[in-house]
Amino acid sequence: NAGVTQTPKFRILKIGQSMTLQCTQDMNHNYMYWYRQDPGMGLKLIYYSVGAGITDKGEVPNGYNVSRSTTEDFPLRLELAAPSQTSVYFCASSAGRRGIQETQYFGPGTRLLVL
Amino acid sequence: QKEVEQNSGPLSVPEGAIASLNCTYSDRVSQSFFWYRQYSGKSPELIMSIYSNGDKEDGRFTAQLNKASQYVSLLIRDSQPSDSATYLCAVNIGGTGRRALTFGSGTRLQVQP
Repeated sequence: NAGVTQTPKFRILKIGQSMTLQCTQDMNHNYMYWYRQDPGMGLKLIYYSVGAGITDKGEVPNGYNVSRSTTEDFPLRLELAAPSQTSVYFCASSAGRRGIQETQYFGPGTRLLVL
Repeated sequence: QKEVEQNSGPLSVPEGAIASLNCTYSDRVSQSFFWYRQYSGKSPELIMSIYSNGDKEDGRFTAQLNKASQYVSLLIRDSQPSDSATYLCAVNIGGTGRRALTFGSGTRLQVQP
């Protein structure tokens, strides 16, 4: 099992450009999450999904979009990149049994720099 | 008040000592609690999960939960330099109806050789 994989590992964007951060998990998990982590800070939830076709906003969704067409993939789209989106982005997944908040497994992260 | 609060540290302990990391949370209905370790430049990895009041031990690690006081802690016995990292507390604020975790800002632990 590869677990949770993310691409790219690092990217530099110019202000106003767009990009998609890829996330794939091979554990057949129902729940998937996108977080951002600014230097010296904790994780802030951007969006999450409880299954294919179902997504919901987290704490800091502005400037981002997601889709979940398959169980395995949960891409994060940045439209019109801004310097405030410079951060490390982590994707995570969990099994998502009904009524239980289970362990989340994290990908290696994507470091994004917007200049 | 932040939903999940941790002292940012750094917490400095000598090698072989007990490190005590603390976390308070705001919501009484929270039921799932996690401690993650994050090395610099790496992704978080699970150390412990705890769901019931009391202590849960796993090797050198003990998680303690007190729901009445809304407090969860992590003890690391016989601390090693390799334990130097940031420790993140995570809670399902909002209980079972909430399908996501809220993370604290983390406590940086330094174990001095």
